[in-house]
Amino acid sequence: SQTIHQWPATLVQPVGSPLSLECTVEGTSNPNLYWYRQAAGRGLQLLFYSVGIGQISSEVPQNLSASRPQDRQFILSSKKLLLSDSGFYLCAWSEISGSKTQYFGPGTRLLVL
Amino acid sequence: GEDVEQSLFLSVREGDSSVINCTYTDSSSTYLYWYKQEPGAGLQLLTYIFSNMDMKQDQRLTVLLNKKDKHLSLRIADTQTGDSAIYFCAESPTGGGNKLTFGTGTQLKVEL
Repeated sequence: SQTIHQWPATLVQPVGSPLSLECTVEGTSNPNLYWYRQAAGRGLQLLFYSVGIGQISSEVPQNLSASRPQDRQFILSSKKLLLSDSGFYLCAWSEISGSKTQYFGPGTRLLVL
Repeated sequence: GEDVEQSLFLSVREGDSSVINCTYTDSSSTYLYWYKQEPGAGLQLLTYIFSNMDMKQDQRLTVLLNKKDKHLSLRIADTQTGDSAIYFCAESPTGGGNKLTFGTGTQLKVEL
């Protein structure tokens, strides 16, 4: 069966520091991968998605970036965090064809102080 | 508009039925989904319905789809305190590739 992992689970970082969040998927090959941010207001904002290694589409301009160095690894990064980057970051995967169902990881809570 | 809309809050008594409503935007969406999010956790897929269906039932969950009105609902029978969570509907819009468009979420509170 497929599983999706995210780490760290919680992170507290000072403004201006770098960021690296990692997401890995097991039990499937060539998945679509997604990064979402969920702010305190609860809605989900799609940040990036990837259909293959090295292929990243950005949905919202911001100071975050994403990379996919391996088939089942998706990384969210920033060179300098802003206060507004605080939130709950969710990674998800889906099959490349079929029902488009997305399966979510447990999330990383980021607090920028 | 382009938003998938849901009411923000719903409060029910334990044992009653809950009905969570959603209005989506793309009448050509192939699949429509319901996800559940418990506090501090990721989204858990509850169920999905294919667009050529009007209803889908899975134990205590019943999904109704009205394509004409672009309205989706989730009914939870015999609501329990463990059902307290945020519920998101999502559509798979045509031309969106594999992206989903999520609603704003409905917070369900189950009271004793």
